Amino acid sequence: AQSVAQPEDQVNVAEGNPLTVKCTYSVSGNPYLFWYVQYPNRGLQFLLKYITGDNLVKGSYGFEAEFNKSQTSFHLKKPSALVSDSALYFCAVAGNNRLAFGKGNQVVVIP
Amino acid sequence: DTAVSQTPKYLVTQMGNDKSIKCEQNLGHDTMYWYKQDSKKFLKIMFSYNNKELIINETVPNRFSPKSPDKAHLNLHINSLELGDSAVYFCASSRGQLEAFFGQGTRLTVV
Repeated sequence: AQSVAQPEDQVNVAEGNPLTVKCTYSVSGNPYLFWYVQYPNRGLQFLLKYITGDNLVKGSYGFEAEFNKSQTSFHLKKPSALVSDSALYFCAVAGNNRLAFGKGNQVVVIP
Repeated sequence: DTAVSQTPKYLVTQMGNDKSIKCEQNLGHDTMYWYKQDSKKFLKIMFSYNNKELIINETVPNRFSPKSPDKAHLNLHINSLELGDSAVYFCASSRGQLEAFFGQGTRLTVV
């Protein structure tokens, strides 16, 4: 069965610094990979996806992610973090008619 | 227009009661889901429907019964509510295995 791992519980970063949230995946076949963000007391918002094509995908709010097949990774990145980026971030992989989510990473951007 | 809407947003009820959560999507998607998010923010799939047909039924107690009257609706009925059912329930929809769009969630509290 497909799965993703988000190794860190919390990522702290100073405002203006680069932000990276790590994700590795396990799936048979070609991966469909996604990142979502969840703000407090809200639903999940889709940020970006990798289906095929360019390994660097760009998404909403200035986020991007790099697909690395050899390392089975799909790390989320933002060049310059904002305080408003503080939220819970989920990596997910599609397969078997479902999205399998990682445990989530709490991102805290410090002013 | 809200893409995926679920009602109610909050639900407080006593143990043993029966309750329903409704979900509607206006995106023309063919697949709908129910996810449960526990107190640690883990997201776990409960059910998946494709074109009104049940595709996934995870190890969920049979007190939980989904119903899909048409492709745009997927409701969740819960019988004999227990304290452990307290969680946030998310409805979502997608076109096949592409990105899923989530409702705002229903926070269920069983007292």
